[in-house]
Amino acid sequence: QKEVEQNSGPLSVPEGAIASLNCTYSDRGSQSFFWYRQYSGKSPELIMFIYSNGDKEDGRFTAQLNKASQYVSLLIRDSQPSDSATYLCAVKGDTDKLIFGTGTRLQVFP
Amino acid sequence: ETGVTQTPRHLVMGMTNKKSLKCEQHLGHNAMYWYKQSAKKPLELMFVYSLEERVENNSVPSRFSPECPNSSHLFLHLHTLQPEDSALYLCASSQDYGTPYEQYFGPGTRLTVT
Repeated sequence: QKEVEQNSGPLSVPEGAIASLNCTYSDRGSQSFFWYRQYSGKSPELIMFIYSNGDKEDGRFTAQLNKASQYVSLLIRDSQPSDSATYLCAVKGDTDKLIFGTGTRLQVFP
Repeated sequence: ETGVTQTPRHLVMGMTNKKSLKCEQHLGHNAMYWYKQSAKKPLELMFVYSLEERVENNSVPSRFSPECPNSSHLFLHLHTLQPEDSALYLCASSQDYGTPYEQYFGPGTRLTVT
């Protein structure tokens, strides 16, 4: 059973801090890694994807991938209350099937 | 309309009813997906269509029946559902299937089975 594990949270951070969200996966053959943000009652929205080891930055978001350790993380700099949401990690192997984690709930307080 | 749309947004149905969920994508994508999202569980892939052909069927009960008449439209026909089928049903699309293209989700249909 291919799995994607995330801490359900909530992860609480003050406004302006760095939020660090982590995800581990079991399938060593995984190729592509995605972070989705889901506000309460809304559908998932893609915010980052990463394919290669290392860091990928997009604005306040940085995705980090370590294939040897089988983890992927998402850093959110200068966190804002509007970042409060559930963040879903999704992993794709050699098929087009996305395997999702249960998500980490992030709360950014003023 | 842009992106991926779904109707209805909310649906309440009895266990003996028959209803259909509709998804339409306006992105020119070739692959479409149905997912189920239940509380405290990961998103579960139900069906995948690529160029109107079903390519994935993840052991979904036969009371769920998908239909893809063309690459822009996807339906999920529901009949004799169980209360445990109550969930958010999400449609998604991607440029192609079998490639690392990202999937774009519709707003979902919140289904309640009574």
